[in-house]
Amino acid sequence: AQSVSQHNHHVILSEAASLELGCNYSYGGTVNLFWYVQYPGQHLQLLLKYFSGDPLVKGIKGFEAEFIKSKFSFNLRKPSVQWSDTAEYFCAGNYGGSQGNLIFGKGTKLSVKP
Amino acid sequence: DTAVSQTPKYLVTQMGNDKSIKCEQNLGHDTMYWYKQDSKKFLKIMFSYNNKELIINETVPNRFSPKSPDKAHLNLHINSLELGDSAVYFCASSRGTSGNTIYFGEGSWLTVV
Repeated sequence: AQSVSQHNHHVILSEAASLELGCNYSYGGTVNLFWYVQYPGQHLQLLLKYFSGDPLVKGIKGFEAEFIKSKFSFNLRKPSVQWSDTAEYFCAGNYGGSQGNLIFGKGTKLSVKP
Repeated sequence: DTAVSQTPKYLVTQMGNDKSIKCEQNLGHDTMYWYKQDSKKFLKIMFSYNNKELIINETVPNRFSPKSPDKAHLNLHINSLELGDSAVYFCASSRGTSGNTIYFGEGSWLTVV
């Protein structure tokens, strides 16, 4: 079955630390991958997406993600986090033929200590 | 202007009541969705409409009935509300269904007491 998994449930970092959040997707043919962020009490906002081409994609707010096909991974990275990055991060995949159904991972809560 | 807007943002209601959540998008998209986020923050699709036609209908109790009067609107009506229906409901939209970016509304926090 098509699925997206995020390994880290809760990550706690100090400001200026580097961040990497894991995301793996199951094999299912063509897949478009996304990272969304949800700040406390707010809606989901798109951070970045990968459809094809350069496997290293850059998003907003200094985030980037690397698509590694051999590992079925799409990890999110940021070199130096800020307190304002405290939020829930969701990896999601849209498989070809799924008629737009976005399959989400269970989310990773990031807490950044000032 | 909010691209995907849904009302109400907060709703507290008693078990057994019937309630509706409205959603409108001004992005010119032809596909709209309802997602449910449970208390553990897990997001799952409920329904999807493309050009007012239902294309995704996940395993959802038939107490939930979506209605799409036009491509810009997708409302969610819930009959006989139960405690387990308490969640955040997100409306979303996209252009087409072939994996384009999905834009989310701000969510409607439903609490059933």
